[in-house]
Amino acid sequence: QQQVKQSPQSLIVQKGGISIINCAYENTAFDYFPWYQQFPGKGPALLIAIRPDVSEKKEGRFTISFNKSAKQFSLHIMDSQPGDSATYFCAASRRTSYDKVIFGPGTSLSVIP
Amino acid sequence: SQTIHQWPATLVQPVGSPLSLECTVEGTSNPNLYWYRQAAGRGLQLLFYSVGIGQISSEVPQNLSASRPQDRQFILSSKKLLLSDSGFYLCAGGRVGEQYFGPGTRLTVT
Repeated sequence: QQQVKQSPQSLIVQKGGISIINCAYENTAFDYFPWYQQFPGKGPALLIAIRPDVSEKKEGRFTISFNKSAKQFSLHIMDSQPGDSATYFCAASRRTSYDKVIFGPGTSLSVIP
Repeated sequence: SQTIHQWPATLVQPVGSPLSLECTVEGTSNPNLYWYRQAAGRGLQLLFYSVGIGQISSEVPQNLSASRPQDRQFILSSKKLLLSDSGFYLCAGGRVGEQYFGPGTRLTVT
């Protein structure tokens, strides 16, 4: 019930294309769904996050789509750029003080020119 | 926003030697604090987390330990390092579901 599944494991997209990463969770108590971006040799950085009371959140070229009934959420990167090449982690948590953040296994994205 | 400080950035230690990695948090009080380990090309393995001074929860059995002597200080230790302890160690801090990560420490045990 605590697991977050993420696919694909790796993704290659042409510059200008759309990158799509999908995640699924089981615990309906989760109420906060962040995405993290990690460049090689660096710590993950919070990219964008969504709460289950909205179905979509957009920040620049990054959009989270959320389907509460299916317990799925996805990250869309529009007009993908080589600088977007990184590992992306989805995550889920409960917005209380004492709970851990559960991370997906990660997706390695390569954007080729 | 919060800033997580970690040091050193890289560390090479022989098998059997002790370890002490320190993490400090700036910009918030009473954060939840976390230690993760990441193998090359792999995901984030939660090692320890703390919700307050002196309160440590261990996620995996290993020869590592953690301590939180002050509200914004989190220390990862080992008395005797193993080859399998090599990896990228990340400290994170946050509240109410959000986590902010430090720059990480690359540990190589030889």
